[in-house]
Parts: sequence; structure tokens; C-alpha cells
Amino acid sequence: SQQGEEDPQALSIQEGENATMNCSYKTSINNLQWYRQNSGRGLVHLILIRSNEREKHSGRLRVTLDTSKKSSSLLITASRAADTASYFCATYRGGSYIPTFGRGTSLIVHP
Amino acid sequence: EAGVTQFPSHSVIEKGQTVTLRCDPISGHDNLYWYRRVMGKEIKFLLHFVKESKQDESGMPNNRFLAERTGGTYSTLKVQPAELEDSGVYFCASSPLGDPKDPYGYTFGSGTRLTVV
Repeated sequence: SQQGEEDPQALSIQEGENATMNCSYKTSINNLQWYRQNSGRGLVHLILIRSNEREKHSGRLRVTLDTSKKSSSLLITASRAADTASYFCATYRGGSYIPTFGRGTSLIVHP
Repeated sequence: EAGVTQFPSHSVIEKGQTVTLRCDPISGHDNLYWYRRVMGKEIKFLLHFVKESKQDESGMPNNRFLAERTGGTYSTLKVQPAELEDSGVYFCASSPLGDPKDPYGYTFGSGTRLTVV
């Protein structure tokens, strides 16, 4: 069954602005990951946040996790045109370590 | 180090025809996974190989889909006969055997965009 559900489905912003994407999931997790997919390319792992963490940073990326609400957010600060891509959150299937993805958020950053 | 390679990158076939997608994982990666993304929907897990064995094929949609990984190296995913709803992007990923808690070992290919007309 589908785990992560991202919103919005599409986001269009100007270069320099911040982009925020949200992910909601259904069952308990050990960790949650965010991936990026550029058009015509494979998924690239961006960041992982564990269930006992509330916030994590990596460069211009900031991820938060609220296990009580079963939600996570990905913030990209000072966006660039190169950030244009689809972003997916992923959680693990049952007790396995196979990531389960949502529909993704399509981000367009206009130069 | 070469990444996960998939071909063809694009395929357009007619309904009822057969198509075979191929995935070459990173050398030495025993785990190989297939995923599919239908337009506007989630990236859905199809199946998981450990070497040549199917570990989990719970995501395979129906018996028109056949995945193989003979010899535990590259894998093929055959769709026969193809239907319109099979259109989408098929991703392959591989990871090494090792600490299953390490999610950083996953590497995805660029995908094959399949269009059934």
C-alpha cells in the first residue's frame, strides 16, 4: 500500500525563493528519506531523517519530521533553476528496507 | 564506477506487442529492484532480486510481467502482451548485500520510458 504522499503535487517558484514540500505517511517508521529525480535521470538520495530526529540539515536542504502527525517537510532555501526536479519522500515497506515512494512534488524553479 | 544502466531509455510499442527492458546493476550489487511510475502516480515497487532469486515480487501487477535475473547479474523485465496501462517509466535500482539498515547503498538507473499506443 502507498506510504508517503507528497503535497503539493506541483510547485512553481522564482529563483532565490524557498520551496517547501510536505509528505504524509500512514504507519510507524524508523526513518524517512527524500529523493530527487531530474527529468530523464534516476532518483538520487538527498537526505535521511530518523524517527528520533526532529530536524536535519544538508546544505540548502532542511528536513523536519513530526512523528505524532506522521508528516515530514523538505525545505529548499534560495532555490536555483537546477533544483527543478520531482521530489519524493520514501519510507520502508513493513519490516524490510525497500523504500516505498509517493507521487512526488514536481518543482519548477524559474530563472 | 559505472552506475546502474538501463536500456532502452525509451520504447514505443503497440498494444499487444512484447517489450523487454534490461537493467545492469552496479557490479557486485546482489540486490536488484524494479519500480514503475505511471504518469502522475506514485513510484511503485515491482520486485526485488537477491542475486538470481526473487526475494519479493508482491508488486508485480499481473502475469503479463516476467522478470528474470539469470546468473545474478543483469535483469530483464518482459511485458507480454503490452497493454495501454503499462505505459510509464520503469526504474531499476541496485544495492550491495550488507547492512540492510544502510539506505545509502541504493543507486537508481535513469529509467526506461515505455509508451504503449
